[in-house]
Amino acid sequence: GIQVEQSPPDLILQEGANSTLRCNFSDSVNNLQWFHQNPWGQLINLFYIPSGTKQNGRLSATTVATERYSLLYISSSQTTDSGVYFCAVWSSASKIIFGSGTRLSIRP
Amino acid sequence: DAGITQSPRHKVTETGTPVTLRCHQTENHRYMYWYRQDPGHGLRLIHYSYGVKDTDKGEVSDGYSVSRSKTEDFLLTLESATSSQTSVYFCAINGGANVLTFGAGSRLTVL
Repeated sequence: GIQVEQSPPDLILQEGANSTLRCNFSDSVNNLQWFHQNPWGQLINLFYIPSGTKQNGRLSATTVATERYSLLYISSSQTTDSGVYFCAVWSSASKIIFGSGTRLSIRP
Repeated sequence: DAGITQSPRHKVTETGTPVTLRCHQTENHRYMYWYRQDPGHGLRLIHYSYGVKDTDKGEVSDGYSVSRSKTEDFLLTLESATSSQTSVYFCAINGGANVLTFGAGSRLTVL
């Protein structure tokens, strides 16, 4: 089956810094999503991005499907950005594989 | 907003007792999923449903059963709970265009 790897596993930054999170996947996919799990455990959909680039405020994401990776950029980090970021790839509506996540800690 | 409600949100039970978790959606989406989340394992699919009475197994289905008698409700049952089933359980829906949306989660502790 498809393998999904996220890097780095942990990231500690000062408030105001920029960061790049990576998601590699081992086979072609129909869709890719990025999620943020906040410190209260809630999973929030950030981007639905099977290919191309999208931006939402300080966050943006790029998926290069032909090279099987996606990047999530966070600019001017805030303490509220802390949490775990997951990517999930879809090979079909029933096969959705999650990466193990990147734990981001933003220090004030 | 996708309108997903999970209940109960927290439950403590004893080994060997049956437990049912409920997921309710308000928008008649076809696909619904149950995941569990454990430290070091991320999110793993237990079962999913693609319609009323249509369900299938995910990667960690042993010890779990599901039922979907109505479009809006997807139930996860642990027939005889074990300590290894202590976890946080998330329900999700495919809200169209293959976008997954999660409920708030149900924290289950099996003593």
